[in-house]
Amino acid sequence: DQQVKQNSPSLSVQEGRISILNCDYTNSMFDYFLWYKKYPAEGPTFLISISSIKDKNEDGRFTVFLNKSAKHLSLHIVPSQPGDSAVYFCAARPPNFGNEKLTFGTGTRLTIIP
Amino acid sequence: DTGVSQNPRHKITKRGQNVTFRCDPISEHNRLYWYRQTLGQGPEFLTYFQNEAQLEKSRLLSDRFSAERPKGSFSTLEIQRTEQGDSAMYLCASSIRTSGQETQYFGPGTRLLVL
Repeated sequence: DQQVKQNSPSLSVQEGRISILNCDYTNSMFDYFLWYKKYPAEGPTFLISISSIKDKNEDGRFTVFLNKSAKHLSLHIVPSQPGDSAVYFCAARPPNFGNEKLTFGTGTRLTIIP
Repeated sequence: DTGVSQNPRHKITKRGQNVTFRCDPISEHNRLYWYRQTLGQGPEFLTYFQNEAQLEKSRLLSDRFSAERPKGSFSTLEIQRTEQGDSAMYLCASSIRTSGQETQYFGPGTRLLVL
């Protein structure tokens, strides 16, 4: 069963516009969420995270929104730049009781059009 | 560079051969994770170490897979009698908890192709 879902396999956005990537989860025990960016032939790079006690976290051009009641989070990138073209993974983690293994979605390939 | 490193970056092997991958975590990180990623999927958890102790293994990790982390530093992941279904990217991540939260930092991965 896919506990973390990214239903859009791909997204194309014009440079300078806002990119919105979405993620849904089913496990209500998840309490910490992360976004990773991945270029081909490289490992995932951490972008931004959010704890379940918050509904928004911002870092420069990246903002993550969390809607716990809907079990939904989104990553906003504004303004979008060509270097943002990559695959973006949403990941979730249960409370800090030891093993903090991440459960990942299947990724969304973002293409920024110059 | 103090990031997570993995060697080799690529490995091609014939079915039935054994392979071993190495991961060197960020030096002060006491937690180390192995994940596997196949085409079109996100990384899937395989196993986890805290210092030298292997504390959890996924059911994805068949008895042909073994991981070690001697002295709580680098880790190795060995696959015995490789099968074509083992072809994947093997990712290592390390972390340390600070301020009650933990972020896993990934290495570049080892891409395995079993012919």
